[in-house]
Amino acid sequence: SQQGEEDPQALSIQEGENATMNCSYKTSINNLQWYRQNSGRGLVHLILIRSNEREKHSGRLRVTLDTSKKSSSLLITASRAADTASYFCATVYGGSQGNLIFGKGTKLSVKP
Amino acid sequence: GAGVSQSPSNKVTEKGKDVELRCDPISGHTALYWYRQSLGQGLEFLIYFQGNSAPDKSGLPSDRFSAERTGGSVSTLTIQRTQQEDSAVYLCASSSGAGGAEQYFGPGTRLTVT
Repeated sequence: SQQGEEDPQALSIQEGENATMNCSYKTSINNLQWYRQNSGRGLVHLILIRSNEREKHSGRLRVTLDTSKKSSSLLITASRAADTASYFCATVYGGSQGNLIFGKGTKLSVKP
Repeated sequence: GAGVSQSPSNKVTEKGKDVELRCDPISGHTALYWYRQSLGQGLEFLIYFQGNSAPDKSGLPSDRFSAERTGGSVSTLTIQRTQQEDSAVYLCASSSGAGGAEQYFGPGTRLTVT
């Protein structure tokens, strides 16, 4: 299977703390994307990082990509209760039509 | 503007019946994807439409699954002779860019096969 893996599977933190989630994948990619899903529905795109980029920021989000290790990390700084959700990395593989291959996700719980 | 819409939001059907799930992509988006999400398999790609090109059906799990996209807009995913393992949330997404751009997802259709 081409499916990537995220770790941890679940993460529980206090509001204000930082949350880091990691993702590994298996073959060369065009880009890697992170999505958030609340309550089992409604996937929302967060950030896209291309294979020739190493780091990207968007608001409180910071994504890194290490193509030599085939891994990425998502850092959420100063977390809020509203960040409670499942987070998925998704890769677009080289030669694909653009369909996303999703990891299994990290379930983040931020306690007020 | 309106996002991706899907209907119905929930569908309960008996094993062996056919079901049709509908997706209305964001206006002007040329790319449309179907995925399904289940507890056991996570999020899986099913099929991809891009403009007038032949669809990429490589993710369809069996020949009971088919999809069409009429007029480059609305898409229908059809599952024939449903089985219990077809129970899942079926998600549709659309994208404006070339393959690999960010995708905008609909709320999904929760299918339960009894």
